[in-house]
Amino acid sequence: DVKVTQSSRYLVKRTGEKVFLECVQDMDHENMFWYRQDPGLGLRLIYFSYDVKMKEKGDIPEGYSVSREKKERFSLILESASTNQTSMYLCASRDKTGYSNQPQHFGDGTRLSIL
Amino acid sequence: GDSVTQMEGPVTLSEEAFLTINCTYTATGYPSLFWYVQYPGEGLQLLLKATKADDKGSNKGFEATYRKETTSFHLEKGSVQVSDSAVYFCALSVGQAGTALIFGKGTTLSVSS
Repeated sequence: DVKVTQSSRYLVKRTGEKVFLECVQDMDHENMFWYRQDPGLGLRLIYFSYDVKMKEKGDIPEGYSVSREKKERFSLILESASTNQTSMYLCASRDKTGYSNQPQHFGDGTRLSIL
Repeated sequence: GDSVTQMEGPVTLSEEAFLTINCTYTATGYPSLFWYVQYPGEGLQLLLKATKADDKGSNKGFEATYRKETTSFHLEKGSVQVSDSAVYFCALSVGQAGTALIFGKGTTLSVSS
């Protein structure tokens, strides 16, 4: 089974801090994704990565950046955390073979609170 | 643009009741369709998928049929259990390399004994 591991389940940070959320997958997947989940809004794509060192903006990239230095690891960075970034963050990975036919595999999420 | 619309919840049922959660989509190409489930405190798990018209996805007693003529992918289960209480997301994916999923807003299901 695919395993996607997010480094923290719960995280509390202060406004203005630089925050790192880490995600690791163990299936050698090329594609990785970061979403945020908010009540009433569902899941929204922040950034995704086709492959190592490649990244593309999603629907809501403002205030975020990402890093993909190794295939198995995809990091989400909040450059200067703000209270409106309090949310559940979900990482996912996918095998590129067949592209849209392949499901995405999700981690358990990080619930981030910015005070 | 591409989008997914699913019925708003919460849906509250008694154990052994029949479940339908409606999902319709808009897509410019030929999407693959997915249902994901999120149990409390967890991430999303793939429940089932269908990749072409008239395909039926099924898993754990849940079923959904890809209906191109009505652009729908409704989730059904004949007899729900308390353990099915969760949030259900309908999603689509179209074509291109690295394309992310487009999700509906989720439907909360609560099953009581």
